[in-house]
Amino acid sequence: KNQVEQSPQSLIILEGKNCTLQCNYTVSPFSNLRWYKQDTGRGPVSLTIMTFSENTKSNGRYTATLDADTKQSSLHITASQLSDSASYICVVSYNAGNNRKLIWGLGTSLAVNP
Amino acid sequence: ETGVTQTPRHLVMGMTNKKSLKCEQHLGHNAMYWYKQSAKKPLELMFVYSLEERVENNSVPSRFSPECPNSSHLFLHLHTLQPEDSALYLCASSQDYRAGWGSYEQYFGPGTRLTVT
Repeated sequence: KNQVEQSPQSLIILEGKNCTLQCNYTVSPFSNLRWYKQDTGRGPVSLTIMTFSENTKSNGRYTATLDADTKQSSLHITASQLSDSASYICVVSYNAGNNRKLIWGLGTSLAVNP
Repeated sequence: ETGVTQTPRHLVMGMTNKKSLKCEQHLGHNAMYWYKQSAKKPLELMFVYSLEERVENNSVPSRFSPECPNSSHLFLHLHTLQPEDSALYLCASSQDYRAGWGSYEQYFGPGTRLTVT
């Protein structure tokens, strides 16, 4: 069964600290993996997209990694800011016949406190 | 802002009411989507339109009726809803739909928070 699991479910950190969010998937055949940031009361916004051949990709203070062998991805946030408080959702795309579909994770709720 | 707008932002309706959600995208995209986001659940795809043609209907109850009059506008007509339909309804658009809706990055609107009483 195609699944995307994220951990932890929620996380509280102090401003300025680093943190790492995890995404494990059992989706096959894999196409790509995206990380989205969703602020409270807003729609998700894409942070990064990673294909099978990419191991690391950065977007400012956000760095995503992908290990296609173990089917794991992580999102590392450096020097956190209050504005990083949001839900971070991992989304995996897979090939279903001639179509490409998405499996959404539940997300990790991050709170950055002053 | 992502270029996708939704109205209203909040809606409270009774189970016998009829209401509509509106979505507009200013990105020149060809595909538009409706998603439902409930607490403790991942995003659920409801409908996909490509060039005004419905290409995906993810087993959504008939009390939800989508309409796509052109590639920039998408509506979700609601009638005789149930309390469990209370959720955040998100509209998204993508450049295209060829080879499936997982092929292109989706740009989301802010959502409509729907409460059914």
